Amino acid sequence: AQTVTQSQPEMSVQEAETVTLSCTYDTSESDYYLFWYKQPPSRQMILVIRQEAYKQQNATENRFSVNFQKAAKSFSLKISDSQLGDAAMYFCAYRTRAGGTSYGKLTFGQGTILTVHP
Amino acid sequence: EAQVTQNPRYLITVTGKKLTVTCSQNMNHEYMSWYRQDPGLGLRQIYYSMNVEVTDKGDVPEGYKVSRKEKRNFPLILESPSPNQTSLYFCATKHSTDTQYFGPGTRLTVL
Repeated sequence: AQTVTQSQPEMSVQEAETVTLSCTYDTSESDYYLFWYKQPPSRQMILVIRQEAYKQQNATENRFSVNFQKAAKSFSLKISDSQLGDAAMYFCAYRTRAGGTSYGKLTFGQGTILTVHP
Repeated sequence: EAQVTQNPRYLITVTGKKLTVTCSQNMNHEYMSWYRQDPGLGLRQIYYSMNVEVTDKGDVPEGYKVSRKEKRNFPLILESPSPNQTSLYFCATKHSTDTQYFGPGTRLTVL
């Protein structure tokens, strides 16, 4: 079974600075997706960024980018020019691309609470 | 507008009183699932459904039931709720293009 670990329960950053959230995962599969979700105080789950394992290029979405290290099974999220609205819980998640009983299932990490200081 | 709705959004109940949390989607997605979110544990899958009349257990199915009689609805049923089912619940749907959509969440407290 796949596992996802976020070892930083809490992180903080000054507005306009850069912060990196860590995520490691364990899988025996070679083809999968990795995601970062943001959960603000409203509790809505918002997709921040997604990475396909077969792509070597790191995904980027505006101020959000990832450092995907497939061999090390590491998937960190970098937030540049942090804004007050980035304050939220961030979840790393894994999903297989294979079919079967795990099709569609997201395996989540424990979450990291990000605080942004003005 | 693509939407996943859940009702109720908040519920306080007592041990043993049967309840149903509804989930409805307007996107004609075949795949639907339920997750629970608990502090320090992230979200864990309870049940999922690949299509109408096709449901299966996720990682934490004990104490829950689901049904999928029509594509748009996927209710979560707690026949005899217990305090350890106090949690935040999310319904999610998945498109064939792999985009997942989450509902707004249901905060359940079982006393």
